[in-house]
Amino acid sequence: KAGVTQTPRYLIKTRGQQVTLSCSPISGHRSVSWYQQTPGQGLQFLFEYFSETQRNKGNFPGRFSGRQFSNSRSEMNVSTLELGDSALYLCASSLGNRIFFQGTDTQYFGPGTRLTVL
Amino acid sequence: AQTVTQSQPEMSVQEAETVTLSCTYDTSENNYYLFWYKQPPSRQMILVIRQEAYKQQNATENRFSVNFQKAAKSFSLKISDSQLGDTAMYFCAFMFSPFGTGANSKLTFGKGITLSVRP
Repeated sequence: KAGVTQTPRYLIKTRGQQVTLSCSPISGHRSVSWYQQTPGQGLQFLFEYFSETQRNKGNFPGRFSGRQFSNSRSEMNVSTLELGDSALYLCASSLGNRIFFQGTDTQYFGPGTRLTVL
Repeated sequence: AQTVTQSQPEMSVQEAETVTLSCTYDTSENNYYLFWYKQPPSRQMILVIRQEAYKQQNATENRFSVNFQKAAKSFSLKISDSQLGDTAMYFCAFMFSPFGTGANSKLTFGKGITLSVRP
């Protein structure tokens, strides 16, 4: 099976611009989660989408948004970019289905998109 | 809220030796999962091992094993027969597991530990 793919791998933007990142999950996976990784804050959860609905959300401002399509592919959008948004953005996919007392399934990560804001 | 602490920022080990990476966490929940992920210089996050909190038996995956102490909220990773390819940043992560059919996919990560394997 092909792994999680993310495009683009590298992106350079200037302050005030907006950006869209894309994530294609492993075939059969219906849940997609997004994380931001920075040297200062480490890895932080942004949000999770399952069946085209946001199911979980981290503590990020409204400039960060996302969506999921019917084929489970997900996009993340950041508007009005700030210098502090420079980071590695990681996407992870999982089956997303929960059954009794196995309420969590394992997430598999993509290679990330390195965003640099100038 | 859950927190994950990895107090050792860096460690170094000789090839073929054994090394243990420490992790502690804090939670009031009873049902959860713990993970170790590896992030080599390529930045690809790779799952190393996972432990279900309701299982008393420690998880093992080839050269990787964990020492899970639920009462102490400790979850250490032991790497046996260290190889040069084990050089990477290692992250300990926590995921709350709602009882029943509840849904949660949020991973809470520690700050990570940089492991260097010396030839």
